[in-house]
Amino acid sequence: GAGVSQTPSNKVTEKGKYVELRCDPISGHTALYWYRQSLGQGPEFLIYFQGTGAADDSGLPNDRFFAVRPEGSVSTLKIQRTERGDSAVYLCASSFRRGAQLTEQFFGPGTRLTVL
Amino acid sequence: SQELEQSPQSLIVQEGKNLTINCTSSKTLYGLYWYKQKYGEGLIFLMMLQKGGEEKSHEKITAKLDEKKQQSSLHITASQPSHAGIYLCGADSSGGSNYKLTFGKGTLLTVNP
Repeated sequence: GAGVSQTPSNKVTEKGKYVELRCDPISGHTALYWYRQSLGQGPEFLIYFQGTGAADDSGLPNDRFFAVRPEGSVSTLKIQRTERGDSAVYLCASSFRRGAQLTEQFFGPGTRLTVL
Repeated sequence: SQELEQSPQSLIVQEGKNLTINCTSSKTLYGLYWYKQKYGEGLIFLMMLQKGGEEKSHEKITAKLDEKKQQSSLHITASQPSHAGIYLCGADSSGGSNYKLTFGKGTLLTVNP
């Protein structure tokens, strides 16, 4: 089966612009996660969805960042008024629940965002 | 907040050699994950450890979690060029709910043929 897919693979934008990054999780995975990875660093948690709702958005850096998952499958990460410091690779992951436990997270290839 | 320190930061080995990567946590680990990442690609799940003293192996890679659950090691036996990449350890920092991972900075492994 297909893994997690993310589009676009690369996005170059200008400071102040709005961007949307899309994540298509593995079919049947109810849990979806967004992470951000800066150069030389490990991924940093942004937000976790269980179904359609954001169960934990404590990692979103500020109110310019917002994510949705309206039908419990595809998710979109939205960044308003982009800043140069937003440049990073944005990773999406998904997993399913086995009993009471969430399984390991399967990651997509990421979207490399560059803000000029 | 939980912090993970990985050592070494980078490692160059000759093909066929064994190597070990370490991951040390500032807090007791609920769950410890090992992932591998190649440039331009996502993270590939390797193994997950939860119990103190646990050890898991897959092909030539073995991961261990110490009894105190604050340190993990990843050991590769008879390394191959295909093992090259960045190895990341990640800890469950959601108190056992397993949804929020905190990662170390990674160890860059180069295997020379």
